Amino acid sequence: NAGVMQNPRHLVRRRGQEARLRCSPMKGHSHVYWYRQLPEEGLKFMVYLQKENIIDESGMPKERFSAEFPKEGPSILRIQQVVRGDSAAYFCASSDWTGGSYEQYFGPGTRLTVT
Amino acid sequence: TQLLEQSPQFLSIQEGENLTVYCNSSSVFSSLQWYRQEPGEGPVLLVTVVTGGEVKKLKRLTFQFGDARKDSSLHITAAQTGDTGLYLCAGGGATNKLIFGTGTLLAVQP
Repeated sequence: NAGVMQNPRHLVRRRGQEARLRCSPMKGHSHVYWYRQLPEEGLKFMVYLQKENIIDESGMPKERFSAEFPKEGPSILRIQQVVRGDSAAYFCASSDWTGGSYEQYFGPGTRLTVT
Repeated sequence: TQLLEQSPQFLSIQEGENLTVYCNSSSVFSSLQWYRQEPGEGPVLLVTVVTGGEVKKLKRLTFQFGDARKDSSLHITAAQTGDTGLYLCAGGGATNKLIFGTGTLLAVQP
């Protein structure tokens, strides 16, 4: 029973390049979340998606960042024209209704380094 | 802005000791989740509490949700070296997004 899958695990980009981070939710889960963990900081919510819909993007930077969760395939977090401050660990989580809450299960993360 | 403060920030204890980690907020949450995170890995869900005053036990770990659903505690009995890690509480609300606490880094020495 596979958990949340993320790839790549490590990604190195030069300033100005694009970064694409992929997330496959747990089987049967239709809710996907992206969080960012900056060095020496806690986990911060970025965006919440269901299939083909963005539900809450209140934590997404206004520029350069976008996310999608298409009908088929993984969820993608896209960062255009990366800058050094984008270097962080990006985690994806997925959930489904458990009767009391939406328990979120996390993937192993993608560690983005911008040089 | 909803904030979750955890205390202590760091804790170093000997194997066999007991410890309690606190998670406090001025905001009400509909659910409270506890995670443990190892270096280089994602957070692993330990427990979810949803009812004020709820107590859940997971082997040597006891989790409590405050009556007002603003705070929570994690108590570990007879700590083992395998309990070492970063413990995170996270509050859930109406939009499902989680607000994470500041974290407690636990080191259990043999």
